[in-house]
Amino acid sequence: KAGVTQTPRYLIKTRGQQVTLSCSPISGHRSVSWYQQTPGQGLQFLFEYFSETQRNKGNFPGRFSGRQFSNSRSEMNVSTLELGDSALYLCASSPGFEGETQYFGPGTRLLVL
Amino acid sequence: KQEVTQIPAALSVPEGENLVLNCSFTDSAIYNLQWFRQDPGKGLTSLLLIQSSQREQTSGRLNASLDKSSGRSTLYIAASQPGDSATYLCAVINAGNNRKLIWGLGTSLAVNP
Repeated sequence: KAGVTQTPRYLIKTRGQQVTLSCSPISGHRSVSWYQQTPGQGLQFLFEYFSETQRNKGNFPGRFSGRQFSNSRSEMNVSTLELGDSALYLCASSPGFEGETQYFGPGTRLLVL
Repeated sequence: KQEVTQIPAALSVPEGENLVLNCSFTDSAIYNLQWFRQDPGKGLTSLLLIQSSQREQTSGRLNASLDKSSGRSTLYIAASQPGDSATYLCAVINAGNNRKLIWGLGTSLAVNP
């Protein structure tokens, strides 16, 4: 099976702009989770989607949003970008049942200038 | 609030050494604990998953133990190789919130030939 793919891999934006990141899960997986990774804070959970519904949410401001499509592909959007949003954004997919391993994509590295 | 700590932050060892990475968590009410590996420019790879009812898991040269009552897990790597060089991350899922991984900051391992 193909792994989790994320596009784009690298992105440079300026403050105030918005950005959309895409994640395609492993075929058959219904759950997609998003994480932000920064050197200071490490990995932090953003949200999880399962069958097109947000099932779990982390402690990020409303500028961070997401959605999932019927084919389980997911997008994450960040509006009004701030310098502190510069990070590696990782998505992970899993079948969607309790406690199973999540499979991670390579990430999208976002730089906000 | 669950907090995950990994010690040491960085480790450099000669090839062939056996080594131990440590992970501690503040709330013992966890659903499971996972160890991941992160290589530069790549996503995260799940190494071992230990359910809360288990004491250890083994995969090849890797062995992870879990002591829930003391809030500790160790990852033992036998006969280290240069290819083991990577960042190792520990993450827990709290009981009752079984989708959100809470992460340590990782241990950066360098195995020197």
